[in-house]
Amino acid sequence: DTAVSQTPKYLVTQMGNDKSIKCEQNLGHDTMYWYKQDSKKFLKIMFSYNNKELIINETVPNRFSPKSPDKAHLNLHINSLELGDSAVYFCASSLFGVGLAGERNYEQYFGPGTRLTVT
Amino acid sequence: EDQVTQSPEALRLQEGESSSLNCSYTVSGLRGLFWYRQDPGKGPEFLFTLYSAGEEKEKERLKATLTKKESFLHITAPKPEDSATYLCAVQADSGYALNFGKGTSLLVTP
Repeated sequence: DTAVSQTPKYLVTQMGNDKSIKCEQNLGHDTMYWYKQDSKKFLKIMFSYNNKELIINETVPNRFSPKSPDKAHLNLHINSLELGDSAVYFCASSLFGVGLAGERNYEQYFGPGTRLTVT
Repeated sequence: EDQVTQSPEALRLQEGESSSLNCSYTVSGLRGLFWYRQDPGKGPEFLFTLYSAGEEKEKERLKATLTKKESFLHITAPKPEDSATYLCAVQADSGYALNFGKGTSLLVTP
């Protein structure tokens, strides 16, 4: 009954390769995100999709391309991997807005992370 | 630009020794301030959302409070299992992203 899942958990690859990370959520959320956590543990937003549409695209090299086939999935494809891409990548999901009962729904739920090591 | 500063960077407490973690923020229109707990090798785990100054939320030994400039996470009588990194994040009312601080690494010793 995992809420936000990512595969793989670990990814070791060589410079220049292309790799993908998959993310799935079963929370019924309509917004999904990719964050990057660097070696100093700092979490930074990369992308966000709302109802399969790209709404956030931070200053990320265009070697990174997110794809959302449906509201429950957000994948991250990385071309021509570089040493500096080594980090932990987290997927997250959320509702976004005010519910019928007036409750505010903005908290994001994170997956377990994918540790990418580029050698 | 939104800024989130957490202090201290690291905190070591004896079991039962209460303390507070601080999160100072600047944001152009705050929608919400979020607290997360992160254990080594795991994703951030949601704890609280605070939406307006004066708001407080509690969960077990944790209590979060919010003013117009900062938030505190009070830990009462901590136990070793409370050891983790605590992350604070803000969301502007114009956006979707969470802007995180660098976290406070808490170690509670028996």
